[in-house]
Amino acid sequence: DIQMTQSPSSLSASVGDRVTITCRASQSISSYLNWYQQKTGKAPKLLIYSASTLQSGVPSRFTGSGSGTDFTLTISSLQPEDFATYYCQQTYNTPPNTFGQGTKVEMK
Amino acid sequence: EVQLLESGGGLVQPGGSLRLSCAVSGFTFSSYAMSWVRQAPGKGLEWVSAISGSGFTTYYADSVEGRFTISRDNSKNTLFLQMNSLRAEDTAVYYCAKDWTSGYVEYFDYWGQGTLVTVSS
Repeated sequence: DIQMTQSPSSLSASVGDRVTITCRASQSISSYLNWYQQKTGKAPKLLIYSASTLQSGVPSRFTGSGSGTDFTLTISSLQPEDFATYYCQQTYNTPPNTFGQGTKVEMK
Repeated sequence: EVQLLESGGGLVQPGGSLRLSCAVSGFTFSSYAMSWVRQAPGKGLEWVSAISGSGFTTYYADSVEGRFTISRDNSKNTLFLQMNSLRAEDTAVYYCAKDWTSGYVEYFDYWGQGTLVTVSS
């Protein structure tokens, strides 16, 4: 199975900050990488698929990049509603669809 | 509007069984694969099982293979997860998710609100 490793596991940031989260795959997954946002007590929400395609309705401050084994999710200017946990997911070698362990974005 | 509504969670003893349901609306159910994803308390997301739109093809995580069975009733727009021989480590919130797939491109674009399964004596 492909392992997905996110870093950092958590970070503290302020409104307006630029935030970057990294996801690394244990082998190349081309661009088959998704990002989800999960707020406490809620279901995950798809943000980005195929590494860089923004899901409909998702604000443009979210961008995804990368290919192969290294990927990033960037929030250009953190908003109050962005404090949440973010997960990456690979879909290149499935099953299983494997998720990263999550990155919690907390308020500084 | 797409809606997915899970039910059937609850408290069950180790070794027991439970059947989860996911009622969907707002899209042509039979045209899409569906998945179950779980989240243990305070932990990350773990894919559990998937089923093709027709129901003919199923997939399972190693951790549930042989104990869980995924199925669907396309006439009733409902997805199921039969869970047998439950263990404490199966305790989690279980989400159903609509699975958009085209070749390697795959993502879960809609999720239910989740149903809690607690395995404890």
